[in-house]
Amino acid sequence: KAGVTQTPRYLIKTRGQQVTLSCSPISGHRSVSWYQQTPGQGLQFLFEYFSETQRNKGNFPGRFSGRQFSNSRSEMNVSTLELGDSALYLCASRIAGGPYEQYFGPGTRLTVT
Amino acid sequence: AQKVTQAQTEISVVEKEDVTLDCVYETRDTTYYLFWYKQPPSGELVFLIRRNSFDEQNEISGRYSWNFQKSTSSFNFTITASQVVDSAVYFCALSEEGTGFQKLVFGTGTRLLVSP
Repeated sequence: KAGVTQTPRYLIKTRGQQVTLSCSPISGHRSVSWYQQTPGQGLQFLFEYFSETQRNKGNFPGRFSGRQFSNSRSEMNVSTLELGDSALYLCASRIAGGPYEQYFGPGTRLTVT
Repeated sequence: AQKVTQAQTEISVVEKEDVTLDCVYETRDTTYYLFWYKQPPSGELVFLIRRNSFDEQNEISGRYSWNFQKSTSSFNFTITASQVVDSAVYFCALSEEGTGFQKLVFGTGTRLLVSP
């Protein structure tokens, strides 16, 4: 089975721009979560999607948004980028409906200049 | 609020040494789940184990073993006969479960360096 895939793997953007990151979950996994990893704040939960609905959201400003499509693929968007948004963005998928483990993708490394 | 503490920031060992990574958690939930993940230099988080709060049996998988003690709110991870390939950052996580959602709360991670 193919793992979680994320595109692009690397991105360089300028302050004020917006960015969209994509995540394709493991086949059969219907829940997708997003995490941000920075040296200062560590791994922080952004949001989780299941059945095209956001189920939970972390403590991030409204500039961070996401969506999920009917095939369970997910995208996250960050608008009006700030330098502090530079981070590794990790997507994870899991079998929904129970306390199943999350499987992570390789991440997208976003650099904001 | 849930919290995970990994007090060891970095551990250096020589190959074949045993090493234990500590994890202490805080939660008010009676049912919860604990996880360990490994993050090699490539960046991808690799799932190692999931343990639920009502199963305190220790687990062994090859050179890896986990000791879960509810009395001390700890879920420690031991690597026996460490190898260079074990070098990575290891994260302990606690899941906050709700109807239809799961949010992982991670510790700050322990960087393990295994030298030949």
